[in-house]
Amino acid sequence: QVQLVESGGTLVQPGGSLRLSCAASGFIFSDYYMSWIRQAPGKGLEWIAYIRGDSAYIIYADSVRGRFDISRDNAKKSLYLQMNNLRVEDTAVYFCARRLAGRPFEYWGPGTLVTVSS
Amino acid sequence: EIVLTQSPGTLSLSPGESAVLSCRASETIPGNCLAWYQQKPGQTPRLLISGASSRAPGIPDRFSGSGSGTDFTLTISRAESEDFAVYYCHQCGTTPPFFTFGPGTKVDIK
Repeated sequence: QVQLVESGGTLVQPGGSLRLSCAASGFIFSDYYMSWIRQAPGKGLEWIAYIRGDSAYIIYADSVRGRFDISRDNAKKSLYLQMNNLRVEDTAVYFCARRLAGRPFEYWGPGTLVTVSS
Repeated sequence: EIVLTQSPGTLSLSPGESAVLSCRASETIPGNCLAWYQQKPGQTPRLLISGASSRAPGIPDRFSGSGSGTDFTLTISRAESEDFAVYYCHQCGTTPPFFTFGPGTKVDIK
């Protein structure tokens, strides 16, 4: 069955860097657009990054553009989020999710918690 | 960027009652790509409705969606105890894909 499992979340100091991973299984990974979506504690959902199956199209929300990089390795069926210059306001649970064109996010991972604090 | 506004912010229901949740977009959502998610504490969002009105597989028929353009609703008929959660609307129709979510409606037990 479809599975998405995030990893890499931890406590990091402001200004630090972190790399999140999302391992996919149960579907043809390269066929799907993938995104990272985050949720700050007690808050709503915020989409932050998007990558096409062939990695040729990438787009970011204004809140992370220039600091975060999304990438994927289709051979390893993995999605990544390199997060640099982290801020306190980046504290959140980070979810990876898949979609097809014209469709909403159908499957989500359980999320990984990133805490940015000194 | 399309901004989504949800109302009410909180809705108190007794089991067996019905509820109508509203989602309003700041501009027309292309392709009617509007979805509804349910999220319980500590859990991943669960897709309920896509394309404004199509139930996702396995979703009970007490959940129904309607609307087009800028105004959408999610109706929960005869709420059950497992339905108390936060509900988010989400637009997925824009190009470039600057996806957005509404702020959520919390449905709790009266």
